[in-house]
Amino acid sequence: DGGITQSPKYLFRKEGQNVTLSCEQNLNHDAMYWYRQDPGQGLRLIYYSQIVNDFQKGDIAEGYSVSREKKESFPLTVTSAQKNPTAFYLCASRQLEEGYTFGSGTRLTVV
Amino acid sequence: QKEVEQNSGPLSVPEGAIASLNCTYSDRGSQSFFWYRQYSGKSPELIMFIYSNGDKEDGRFTAQLNKASQYVSLLIRDSQPSDSATYLCAVMEYGNKLVFGAGTILRVKS
Repeated sequence: DGGITQSPKYLFRKEGQNVTLSCEQNLNHDAMYWYRQDPGQGLRLIYYSQIVNDFQKGDIAEGYSVSREKKESFPLTVTSAQKNPTAFYLCASRQLEEGYTFGSGTRLTVV
Repeated sequence: QKEVEQNSGPLSVPEGAIASLNCTYSDRGSQSFFWYRQYSGKSPELIMFIYSNGDKEDGRFTAQLNKASQYVSLLIRDSQPSDSATYLCAVMEYGNKLVFGAGTILRVKS
């Protein structure tokens, strides 16, 4: 089955700790995206990548970092600089004129 | 920052009725528009997309686009309790980035 796999489903971060969220797709899509969703709010774009080895900041990139070394993978690191990281994180991919396909999400909580 | 506006709801409709969900957008140059459904605790799933002015139908769903008024709507006919979810409107921005509205909560009462 083709799709996007995000892991872990739930993640707990201690204060001052960096954590990495995984996103893998086997859809052969060129573009990949990371969004953050807070309760009662829409999705906000963190980072996106149109091709391998290239990525751009979205609207709320501060405190986050990404890499795109392989077409299939687009991991997101939430750094200690992100002061309010508790949220639902969604990875998506896209091909040509189609809409996005989303992974199942990672719910990050600061403890 | 381009904006996409939706009424947060909740919109309550009886089972079997037509649910009408609305969305306005600020970027007059936008060309592609999407509707996603999101169940509580789950990720969004694509329902429909529309590029041209007018109506586009897919089963019980109809998307309507009016670029002059910068307005997109989604009609759900014969609403079912399983349609109860949050509906997200999204607009494709320059650079192939989707900008999402905050969503409208739909509740279908049986």
